[in-house]
Amino acid sequence: DAGVIQSPRHEVTEMGQEVTLRCKPISGHDYLFWYRQTMMRGLELLIYFNNNVPIDDSGMPEDRFSAKMPNASFSTLKIQPSEPRDSAVYFCASSPNSLSNEKLFFGSGTQLSVL
Amino acid sequence: GENVEQHPSTLSVQEGDSAVIKCTYSDSASNYFPWYKQELGKRPQLIIDIRSNVGEKKDQRIAVTLNKTAKHFSLHITETQPEDSAVYFCAATPGYSSASKIIFGSGTRLSIRP
Repeated sequence: DAGVIQSPRHEVTEMGQEVTLRCKPISGHDYLFWYRQTMMRGLELLIYFNNNVPIDDSGMPEDRFSAKMPNASFSTLKIQPSEPRDSAVYFCASSPNSLSNEKLFFGSGTQLSVL
Repeated sequence: GENVEQHPSTLSVQEGDSAVIKCTYSDSASNYFPWYKQELGKRPQLIIDIRSNVGEKKDQRIAVTLNKTAKHFSLHITETQPEDSAVYFCAATPGYSSASKIIFGSGTRLSIRP
């Protein structure tokens, strides 16, 4: 298995533009998480899905952020319009559905820079 | 909701010495406590975890202890080596379902001095 795949690896955009981050979880994993990492705030949980259904989006900072999981193998995190303070590394992670295994498998992350 | 506090934020130790990182959590229902290591420019990776029915767990030079009464847990690294330099995150999971939301501490940047 190639692991969790995120794209793009780097994204540079201008303030006001729409940004779409993509994630392919590990096949068979029922949980998918989106985290944002900054120096000031560390790893923040934005939203997570179970079997493609959003379970908790309380970490989504504003209405400018939205996430979807149309099927078990794909998720997107969209920011519209983007702002400089959205600059961060965005990680997607997946996890199996098992009472004995909550291990998170992280993707390589997307480094987002909003100018 | 769950809140995880971690300290110190930075830690520098001499190679060969031990390093200890401490975390506290707020939700008494939390029952799973993983530790992740993130090397510079890389993704976080699980290095060890502990469940609430266990007080201590060891894996070679790494150990984790849990005190449920006090709601704190710690990571111990013995005989530190240069490759231990990284950012370490503790985390806690509110225990109302498996693989439910995992809340991370703010991280500890560990530097190993040669």
